[in-house]
Amino acid sequence: NAGVTQTPKFRVLKTGQSMTLLCAQDMNHEYMYWYRQDPGMGLRLIHYSVGEGTTAKGEVPDGYNVSRLKKQNFLLGLESAAPSQTSVYFCASSSPDRRTEAFFGQGTRLTVV
Amino acid sequence: AQSVSQHNHHVILSEAASLELGCNYSYGGTVNLFWYVQYPGQHLQLLLKYFSGDPLVKGIKGFEAEFIKSKFSFNLRKPSVQWSDTAEYFCAVNAGTSYDKVIFGPGTSLSVIP
Repeated sequence: NAGVTQTPKFRVLKTGQSMTLLCAQDMNHEYMYWYRQDPGMGLRLIHYSVGEGTTAKGEVPDGYNVSRLKKQNFLLGLESAAPSQTSVYFCASSSPDRRTEAFFGQGTRLTVV
Repeated sequence: AQSVSQHNHHVILSEAASLELGCNYSYGGTVNLFWYVQYPGQHLQLLLKYFSGDPLVKGIKGFEAEFIKSKFSFNLRKPSVQWSDTAEYFCAVNAGTSYDKVIFGPGTSLSVIP
């Protein structure tokens, strides 16, 4: 049972390059999230999705785009990477039952030089 | 908008010492509260959660937390910490009109010295 899987685990980008982070979950969860984690700032929500074909902005959406074409996948895109986007990115998923917790992937460490 | 604050940025304890990590949230209505732990190099895992009933909840590895509605608090406790408890601890909440997303606190880094 894989849970939540993120690819890639590490990536180094040059400023201006683009990339897509993939998140896949096998728990049939409706909700999926992308967070970034920075020292002293905890986890900040970038975008989230409450179902296939729907996305919404979180706390820090600028510079990112997302897509949820299939229920099990949630993609995070950086169209033109900036050094300020150097961070650890976590994907998570949960059921609509608000009493349940989110399940997290292992994270993607992204460095933009 | 909901927000979550954690009292301490970094806590250093000796093994066998007692632990209490503070967490406060800003929403006045019904809330669901969580504590997550992140061990070095790993992803976040759930320690415990509260959504209703007994305000004292018990989680894994001997952790517990108390929900005090009047103080908007959900503090995490452990009577005797171990070196293996060294980790980052995050308080989180979903509430009100934002049940579809979970808001995290900034985290508290715990270092336990053998």
